[in-house]
Amino acid sequence: KAGVTQTPRYLIKTRGQQVTLSCSPISGHRSVSWYQQTPGQGLQFLFEYFSETQRNKGNFPGRFSGRQFSNSRSEMNVSTLELGDSALYLCASSLADPRTDTQYFGPGTRLTVL
Amino acid sequence: QQQVKQSPQSLIVQKGGISIINCAYENTAFDYFPWYQQFPGKGPALLIAIRPDVSEKKEGRFTISFNKSAKQFSLHIMDSQPGDSATYFCAAGPMGSNYKLTFGKGTLLTVNP
Repeated sequence: KAGVTQTPRYLIKTRGQQVTLSCSPISGHRSVSWYQQTPGQGLQFLFEYFSETQRNKGNFPGRFSGRQFSNSRSEMNVSTLELGDSALYLCASSLADPRTDTQYFGPGTRLTVL
Repeated sequence: QQQVKQSPQSLIVQKGGISIINCAYENTAFDYFPWYQQFPGKGPALLIAIRPDVSEKKEGRFTISFNKSAKQFSLHIMDSQPGDSATYFCAAGPMGSNYKLTFGKGTLLTVNP
């Protein structure tokens, strides 16, 4: 069974631009969560989607948004990029409920904002 | 702010030794405590998890000890191997509807051969 895939793996953008990251969950998984990982703040929860609906949200500004498609694939968008948005963005999928089902992480997208 | 404090930041252990990583949490609503292992260039992978109805859980060489009254939990890696060298994250989360994991800052473990 293929794992969680994320594209692109690396991305370089400049301040003020916007970016869209993509995540394909493990086949059959319907819950997709997004995390931001930085050396200073560690892993921080962004949001979780289930059946095309945002079910939970972390403490990030509205510039961070996401969506989920009917095939459970998910995208994350960051608008008006800031230098501090440089991070590894991780996507994790689980069968239905990350509270009871194991979350499997993808390799991440490394975003650099110049 | 809900926090999970993890220590130490880095740890060097000799092959065959015991690695111990500690975490402390503040929110008494937390009732799910997983540990993740992350290798360079990879996403975190669930290693072992515990719920507060037990004080210890063991899976192979990995053991979680949980102290509910002290709001602390720890990961013990017995007979540490060079292949265990990675970054380890503890996390905690509530089982309520507003579920989201709060992670510790991570511990870089190096096991020398």
